[in-house]
Amino acid sequence: AQKITQTQPGMFVQEKEAVTLDCTYDTSDQSYGLFWYKQPSSGEMIFLIYQGSYDEQNATEGRYSLNFQKARKSANLVISASQLGDSAMYFCAMREGSARQLTFGSGTQLTVLP
Amino acid sequence: NAGVTQTPKFRILKIGQSMTLQCTQDMNHNYMYWYRQDPGMGLKLIYYSVGAGITDKGEVPNGYNVSRSTTEDFPLRLELAAPSQTSVYFCASSTNRDRGTDTQYFGPGTRLTVL
Repeated sequence: AQKITQTQPGMFVQEKEAVTLDCTYDTSDQSYGLFWYKQPSSGEMIFLIYQGSYDEQNATEGRYSLNFQKARKSANLVISASQLGDSAMYFCAMREGSARQLTFGSGTQLTVLP
Repeated sequence: NAGVTQTPKFRILKIGQSMTLQCTQDMNHNYMYWYRQDPGMGLKLIYYSVGAGITDKGEVPNGYNVSRSTTEDFPLRLELAAPSQTSVYFCASSTNRDRGTDTQYFGPGTRLTVL
C-alpha cells in the first residue's frame, strides 16, 4: 500500500483565491511527522511546513497551513491568497517512528491563473 | 550561505560508464540522504547516512554505492550506468537535534541521462 497518497495530479486556482492540496498517509507508528515541499520548475525542493503527529494544533507558516485530521489520516496543505509564484509541484512526505528518512507522495502540479 | 551543494548539475553517461555525484553540506548536519526523482514522480530514497562512517540502504539502492568519510561530504557512486538510472538526483541533509522538527534541506539536484 502507498504510504503517501496525493490524488490530485494537477490543480488550477485563480490568483488571490485559496486552494487545498490533498494528502493522505498510511502508518502504524504513533509517532510520525508530515512535511510539504514545493518544487518550482527550476527543480529545487523547498520546505514549506511541518506537522508532528502529537501536535494538537494545525501548523501554519505565513500563507501556508496544514489541515491535519489524524483520525482520517489526512494532512492537506492550504495555500491562502494564491500568487502566480505559487505555481509549482507540491509534495507531501512522511517520516515514521524513529526513522529520519522521508517517504514522498507523487506530487500535485498547481497552476495559478491570472 | 551555501547549504547543500551538488556537482555536476548535468551529466550524460554512456551505458556501462561510472561516475560519482558529489554532495557537500556546510551546516554541520549529521544526517545526509540521496534521493532520485524519476519524471513526474516523487522522490525515492537511495541511501542515507547518520554520521561519518555510517551508511544504510534506502528504498532503491541497487546500482549505487555511497561512502561518508567526513561530516560534510556524501558522494554517490554509479558503477555501471544503465538507462534505468536516468533521473534527477537530490542530496539532502538534516540536523541531529530533536527529531520531531528535523527538516531536510535539499541541494539543487543533478540531472543524469544514461544513453
